[in-house]
Amino acid sequence: QVQLVESGGGVVQPGRSLRLSCAASGFKFSTYAMHWVRQAPGKGLEWLSAISYDGSRKYYADSMKGRFTVYRDNSNDTLYLQFNSLRAADTAVYYCAKDPLGTVAGFAEYWGQGTLVTVSS
Amino acid sequence: IQLTQSPSSLSASVGERVTITCRASQGISTYLAWYQQKPGKAPKLLIYGASTLQNGVPSRFSGSGSGTDFTLTISSLQPEDFATYYCQQLESYAFGPGTKVDI
Repeated sequence: QVQLVESGGGVVQPGRSLRLSCAASGFKFSTYAMHWVRQAPGKGLEWLSAISYDGSRKYYADSMKGRFTVYRDNSNDTLYLQFNSLRAADTAVYYCAKDPLGTVAGFAEYWGQGTLVTVSS
Repeated sequence: IQLTQSPSSLSASVGERVTITCRASQGISTYLAWYQQKPGKAPKLLIYGASTLQNGVPSRFSGSGSGTDFTLTISSLQPEDFATYYCQQLESYAFGPGTKVDI
């Protein structure tokens, strides 16, 4: 069955960088687009980024452009999200999710359980 | 493209029919999905393409609409349906603010 396991979260100081990982299994990772979505404590869902099956197309929420980078390693079935210049407002649970298509359909049919990032000094 | 949802929360009883509305700031055809999220859990896809039920989702859930106005209907609310529901537009992928359904 499809499994998505996020890792890399934790407590990080403001201004620092962080990389989240999402290990995929149970499907052919290299043929599907993937997403990152976050949820601040007590708040709603916020779509962050998507990447096509081969990494050639990347999409970002306007508020994230320039600070976040999405990429993938299809040889290791892993999705990544690199953050720079973290702020307190980036404190959230970060989810990776699987798109039903290789190009980006836009919706997420499977989700990981999320990893918590806390930005605090 | 911005999404609004109404109501932001509602209280309902088991067996009741529940309708949640999602409105887009501009037309998005049927490029809309609905999710259910329970506390402490990842969201679950319910509906995509505005009205197509995801595999395994009970038939009491249904979606309708096109353009700017969409609805999610639960025909007979069950105890496991108490959750927060989000719409998502599939043009720029933003989510609506959510509707909390509680007892």
